[in-house]
Amino acid sequence: EPEVTQTPSHQVTQMGQEVILRCVPISNHLYFYWYRQILGQKVEFLVSFYNNEISEKSEIFDDQFSVERPDGSNFTLKIRSTKLEDSAMYFCASSSGVLTNEKLFFGSGTQLSVL
Amino acid sequence: RKEVEQDPGPFNVPEGATVAFNCTYSNSASQSFFWYRQDCRKEPKLLMSVYSSGNEDGRFTAQLNRASQYISLLIRDSKLSDSATYLCAGYGGSQGNLIFGKGTKLSVKP
Repeated sequence: EPEVTQTPSHQVTQMGQEVILRCVPISNHLYFYWYRQILGQKVEFLVSFYNNEISEKSEIFDDQFSVERPDGSNFTLKIRSTKLEDSAMYFCASSSGVLTNEKLFFGSGTQLSVL
Repeated sequence: RKEVEQDPGPFNVPEGATVAFNCTYSNSASQSFFWYRQDCRKEPKLLMSVYSSGNEDGRFTAQLNRASQYISLLIRDSKLSDSATYLCAGYGGSQGNLIFGKGTKLSVKP
């Protein structure tokens, strides 16, 4: 079965540093998402991306966050100046259509630790 | 605010038992609901989609009650390998963001 791949699997950074989390969605998918899960908490929606622009974003996705699809295959999440509370598992996901009709495939996640 | 609420458990059951989880949602406009399975420190994996009056897949049955705004998951003849956290999720936005519950932990014991 095709899969969403994410790199790195673990990222440790110092507070205030920039991080870029990388994802390769499934090749024929058109909709891309980032979710995060703080340890012991819910999986939370961050942002959805379609046709090279943000479709929807949550209140978590503030000016410190940005997404990009730089080369037609990668989908990245950048956190400009990390805070301690950004420590979480970040999941990338993709789907071939909007979720009323299509299932969402998740990558295995990047565990971000901000020290 | 759109919310999805679940009993966190844990549910500790013996092998072969039948176990049911419920989930309530607050967004009456949601059209689609899903049950995901999440193993410890892993990604959520889709277990079942739940549409209209519900559906069955082997030992798993999902039901949707729109009037009461809840969905349920029934697992029959539970196996050790069913031990995981079960997340319910509802479609929350215009471009497909899912709102997840916190999950219900299931432990199946021999």
